[in-house]
Amino acid sequence: GESVGLHLPTLSVQEGDNSIINCAYSNSASDYFIWYKQESGKGPQFIIDIRSNMDKRQGQRVTVLLNKTVKHLSLQIAATQPGDSAVYFCAERTGNQFYFGTGTSLTVIP
Amino acid sequence: EAGVVQSPRYKIIEKKQPVAFWCNPISGHNTLYWYLQNLGQGPELLIRYENEEAVDDSQLPKDRFSAERLKGVDSTLKIQPAELGDSAVYLCASSLDPGLGTQYFGPGTRLTVL
Repeated sequence: GESVGLHLPTLSVQEGDNSIINCAYSNSASDYFIWYKQESGKGPQFIIDIRSNMDKRQGQRVTVLLNKTVKHLSLQIAATQPGDSAVYFCAERTGNQFYFGTGTSLTVIP
Repeated sequence: EAGVVQSPRYKIIEKKQPVAFWCNPISGHNTLYWYLQNLGQGPELLIRYENEEAVDDSQLPKDRFSAERLKGVDSTLKIQPAELGDSAVYLCASSLDPGLGTQYFGPGTRLTVL
């Protein structure tokens, strides 16, 4: 199967600081990537996506960066808030399949 | 607009018993997915439907798991008989695009097998 991994299983940041969550993927043929946020007891929630023909995409307080050379994906959250505390998953699409990473648990310290 | 609805939210059964999960996707979403999520792990695809057709069930353990999507809307995932290792969260998701567009997830059903 595919290997989608996250560099850090847990991340703690101070409220108001910026957060960076990283993800490594293994298949250079992957053409589409999504970041999901999952709060306790809920299903994953779409945050932002990026196609392989792009290297950066911005949303509201979030930015996704894609480095295809090293097969690395990152999610940047600006001015992190307590409500951002959750587990974040990256997912890559290869052919007809989506593969999810293990997840990074983000804790925001008030 | 209502999101993906799943029921029950929690289920506790003894091993060897049958169990069924129900999913109602977002209206108009033709593609429906069932995922299994173990604690601390990302979702793993079990089966994907395009309308009524199961187009990818390669990861579904067919000896004990079955799924159906009659009329191309609601779907049911069944396990019979359940084993201890089946304890997990079962997520349903749907998407509008037939070509694996953005998926919208339900809250999941947390299954505990004793």
